[in-house]
Amino acid sequence: GQQLNQSPQSMFIQEGEDVSMNCTSSSIFNTWLWYKQDPGEGPVLLIALYKAGELTSNGRLTAQFGITRKDSFLNISASIPSDVGIYFCAGTNFGNEKLTFGTGTRLTIIP
Amino acid sequence: GAVVSQHPSRVICKSGTSVKIECRSLDFQATTMFWYRQFPKKSLMLMATSNEGSKATYEQGVEKDKFLINHASLTLSTLTVTSAHPEDSSFYICSARGQGPLRTGYTFGSGTRLTVV
Repeated sequence: GQQLNQSPQSMFIQEGEDVSMNCTSSSIFNTWLWYKQDPGEGPVLLIALYKAGELTSNGRLTAQFGITRKDSFLNISASIPSDVGIYFCAGTNFGNEKLTFGTGTRLTIIP
Repeated sequence: GAVVSQHPSRVICKSGTSVKIECRSLDFQATTMFWYRQFPKKSLMLMATSNEGSKATYEQGVEKDKFLINHASLTLSTLTVTSAHPEDSSFYICSARGQGPLRTGYTFGSGTRLTVV
């Protein structure tokens, strides 16, 4: 099935650094979701975006819904150890409840 | 908030046996539940979508006779891996969506690690 492309695939940063990752699609979505998955766990919703151009924050996390509706960005400011994990974007459209997941970005914090 | 309980978290079974995985929405009614499969270091791949009281809709390439899905109530869906083989070993995750606007989101279970030996 279709997957969304996320970049970078992995990131190695130091605590306190800011993080940026993005997600691109060949098709349009009218809802973008960002999830974080810890090892051996299910994904947990971080931010949901419903409108093209929308910029939404959740604490140190900020996500934007691209104007073209084919991309989205997630930024994490001042990273802390608990930010370690895999971040997935997901897209969906009204009337179709299926989520299409991105390929994931693995975040590692270097001591 | 919405909570989805998935059980068991880990299971080891012998090749040829069947395994049932349960997914329960604890504090909301899930009109739709989704079952995903995730291989190591890979993304979630949708296997099937189930609506309460009706047959599940399987994604292309997913064997419906091998992965039996039952959504008998608004709070429970089960996935049965029949005649399991080592290649069925994977991380299986369910997701539940309640009634109301999309803003209520999709809540995921904590996953089931299946190992077939």
